[in-house]
Amino acid sequence: GENVEQHPSTLSVQEGDSAVIKCTYSDSASNYFPWYKQELGKRPQLIIDIRSNVGEKKDQRIAVTLNKTAKHFSLHITETQPEDSAVYFCAASDQTGANNLFFGTGTRLTVIP
Amino acid sequence: ETGVTQTPRHLVMGMTNKKSLKCEQHLGHNAMYWYKQSAKKPLELMFVYNFKEQTENNSVPSRFSPECPNSSHLFLHLHTLQPEDSALYLCASSQETWATEAFFGQGTRLTVV
Repeated sequence: GENVEQHPSTLSVQEGDSAVIKCTYSDSASNYFPWYKQELGKRPQLIIDIRSNVGEKKDQRIAVTLNKTAKHFSLHITETQPEDSAVYFCAASDQTGANNLFFGTGTRLTVIP
Repeated sequence: ETGVTQTPRHLVMGMTNKKSLKCEQHLGHNAMYWYKQSAKKPLELMFVYNFKEQTENNSVPSRFSPECPNSSHLFLHLHTLQPEDSALYLCASSQETWATEAFFGQGTRLTVV
């Protein structure tokens, strides 16, 4: 199956700065790459996703880039705010059969006011 | 609320007990999933059901037994668990099993004593 690696495991930034989280994947046939945000004690929720037919997608302060050749994708958060503090998970779809999601280990982002 | 409800929210059980986790979705989705979330590990896919049929068993020990009586309900029956099975168990659903957003429940925090 797919192997997804995520870095860093923890990230602290000052409010207003940018945060970048990077993931790599192993299956070159994967075509769907979502990012989930999980606040403390809450469920993971999708914040943005990208498919392999595009290289970049942006939604207000959040952007995701995809490099299919290098098999890595990144989450960029600009103008960070304290409410951005959470654990962020990247994921990649597994093309063998059911296209299920395989998740990275998560990044705990802390935005310091 | 995302429309995926899990009960109970917390469960403490002994190693010889039998208990069941319940998940219900009102989103009209066709696919449902069980994930295990342990500290410092990625979300681990356990089981996938598509149109009530199990399509994926990710090498899960037989002490975990899923049941999907219809597309809206998913159970995880637990029997003779080990302390290392203590984790947050998340249910999710999606429209299809391929490349679509997964909606998560709040999870059941399981402690095996």
